[in-house]
Amino acid sequence: DIQMTQSPSTLSASVGDRVTITCRASQSINSWLAWYQQKPGKAPNLLIYKASTLQTGVPSRFSGSGSGTEFTLTISSLQPDDFASYHCQQYHAYPLSFGGGTEVEI
Amino acid sequence: EVWLLESGGTLVQPGGSLTLSCAASGFTFGSHAISWVRQAPGKGLEWVAGINERGIGTLYADSVKGRFTVSRDNSKNTLSLLMNSLRAEDTAIYYCAKRLIADTGPFDYWGQGTLVTVSS
Repeated sequence: DIQMTQSPSTLSASVGDRVTITCRASQSINSWLAWYQQKPGKAPNLLIYKASTLQTGVPSRFSGSGSGTEFTLTISSLQPDDFASYHCQQYHAYPLSFGGGTEVEI
Repeated sequence: EVWLLESGGTLVQPGGSLTLSCAASGFTFGSHAISWVRQAPGKGLEWVAGINERGIGTLYADSVKGRFTVSRDNSKNTLSLLMNSLRAEDTAIYYCAKRLIADTGPFDYWGQGTLVTVSS
């Protein structure tokens, strides 16, 4: 099974900051990685897939990079609406698996 | 407009059974694999079970294999999750989510979730 490790688990930042979250896979997943944003009491929302493809409607301040086992999600200029939890997910192989999540807080 | 809507979550005793349902609309239901993903209180996301477009292929996480059964009715655009021998560690919000492309890709649409609490 493929294990996904996210870091940090919590990130304190301010509006306007550049924020980077890292996700590592226990084996190569090529570029089959997605990032989701989740707000309290809500379902996850797809931000990025195939490591770097922005989902329709997602602001361009979000970007993803990486391949193989190391991936990053970057928010170029943090906005008030971006304070949320972020999850990475591999869909290279079953069982599908998620990272532990990163909470971005003020 | 694409939507998925789960129902059936409730309080159940350890060892009990429960069936969750997921109704969907706004897309060609029979062309997409769908999964159940759960989130325990204050925890991360855990993939639980998946079923392919035709309902022929099913897969399960080791934590639920042999206890949970996923099925779908493409004529009614519905998905079900039969949960047996429930344990306290099954307590979570359960989401149904569709794959972006057939039986591959990320989850591009999710339901709002239904809460299952396993407790005596």
